[in-house]
Amino acid sequence: NAGVMQNPRHLVRRRGQEARLRCSPMKGHSHVYWYRQLPEEGLKFMVYLQKENIIDESGMPKERFSAEFPKEGPSILRIQQVVRGDSAAYFCASSPTGGGNEQYFGPGTRLTVT
Amino acid sequence: DAKTTQPTSMDCAEGRAANLPCNHSTISGNEYVYWYRQIHSQGPQYIIHGLKNNETNEMASLIITEDRKSSTLILPHATLRDTAVYYCIVRLFGNKLVFGAGTILRVKS
Repeated sequence: NAGVMQNPRHLVRRRGQEARLRCSPMKGHSHVYWYRQLPEEGLKFMVYLQKENIIDESGMPKERFSAEFPKEGPSILRIQQVVRGDSAAYFCASSPTGGGNEQYFGPGTRLTVT
Repeated sequence: DAKTTQPTSMDCAEGRAANLPCNHSTISGNEYVYWYRQIHSQGPQYIIHGLKNNETNEMASLIITEDRKSSTLILPHATLRDTAVYYCIVRLFGNKLVFGAGTILRVKS
């Protein structure tokens, strides 16, 4: 079974550009979560999505950040007009159902804003 | 979700058992205890979880005290590859994981 896949693994953007991070959950998983880890800090929850629905976006910055999980295809975390402070590792996790099931994490996308 | 307290760091000799404690004195009756670890800069790895009873799997054992106010993760025979940050997370049947600072476990030869 393939695990959670994220691409690209490394992404470099100049200030003001857009960043698109993709996450393909494990087969059979319909729940996706995004977390961010700033340099030398812990992981922070950003958003929880099911297919075509945002369930919890309490950790998403109010501006420039958006996420989707369409009926077909991967989940996308989109950051518009990136700034240096967006440089971080972005991790995606998936689980087969909501609730107490464990979440399986991908390898992350490391975003560097120059 | 209840707050957890873990030591900042611990050392363990290779081949010995690593016992990682976690305090969660405000845990409620329907909250689970989860353990994850993060090796270097990789994605977090699920280890084990439990509600009331002790649990064991191929990676580790989880011992939860009877009053559920604390727990211990046991890696029975630590190897150098177990060096990582270990996170104890208490979680309702909701879905987000709230990561604290965790415990840096250093396994030394």
